[in-house]
Amino acid sequence: AQSVAQPEDQVNVAEGNPLTVKCTYSVSGNPYLFWYVQYPNRGLQFLLKYITGDNLVKGSYGFEAEFNKSQTSFHLKKPSALVSDSALYFCAVRASFGNEKLTFGTGTRLTIIP
Amino acid sequence: GAGVSQSPRYKVAKRGQDVALRCDPISGHVSLFWYQQALGQGPEFLTYFQNEAQLDKSGLPSDRFFAERPEGSVSTLKIQRTQQEDSAVYLCASSRLGSSYNEQFFGPGTRLTVL
Repeated sequence: AQSVAQPEDQVNVAEGNPLTVKCTYSVSGNPYLFWYVQYPNRGLQFLLKYITGDNLVKGSYGFEAEFNKSQTSFHLKKPSALVSDSALYFCAVRASFGNEKLTFGTGTRLTIIP
Repeated sequence: GAGVSQSPRYKVAKRGQDVALRCDPISGHVSLFWYQQALGQGPEFLTYFQNEAQLDKSGLPSDRFFAERPEGSVSTLKIQRTQQEDSAVYLCASSRLGSSYNEQFFGPGTRLTVL
């Protein structure tokens, strides 16, 4: 079985400061990892993914994420937070073989304080 | 349109009624997924299709839930005899063929409220 843990329900960061949203995962074999963002009354928007290769992946809106195999983590980061980054963030995992279904974490609400 | 569309956006049903939720995937996308998102939770997998073939329906919570994609494009999720616990946002996603690691593109969801 595959699973994702997002240990923080809420993260508050001052505008301009760096931000980190944490994610750890469990999956059989090699993981495919994804970050999505959800704004109110809207669907999930894809931010970035790790499939293979460089452990640091860059995505939309200046976000990046670091894959750490030994710690089974895929933390989302941004060097300088914007108020417009305030939203609900979901980490998701799937196995590199077989079923394409994604397993999501419970989400982290990110609030950027002006 | 360029994205995944879902209709209706909001649905209120009385307990016991049947409902049908529609998903129009991105043109050309072969894989289509349905997820259920309860309040304050992450999306949970229900079922998925590759073209018209339903490859996995293990996430459907009961036999009251049924999904179809008869022509490999539009999909419908049907819930019979709705119960209050069915209240949730139902998300549809699609992805293109060619690589198994393509990201899924999500629609805006249908918010179902069962009274």
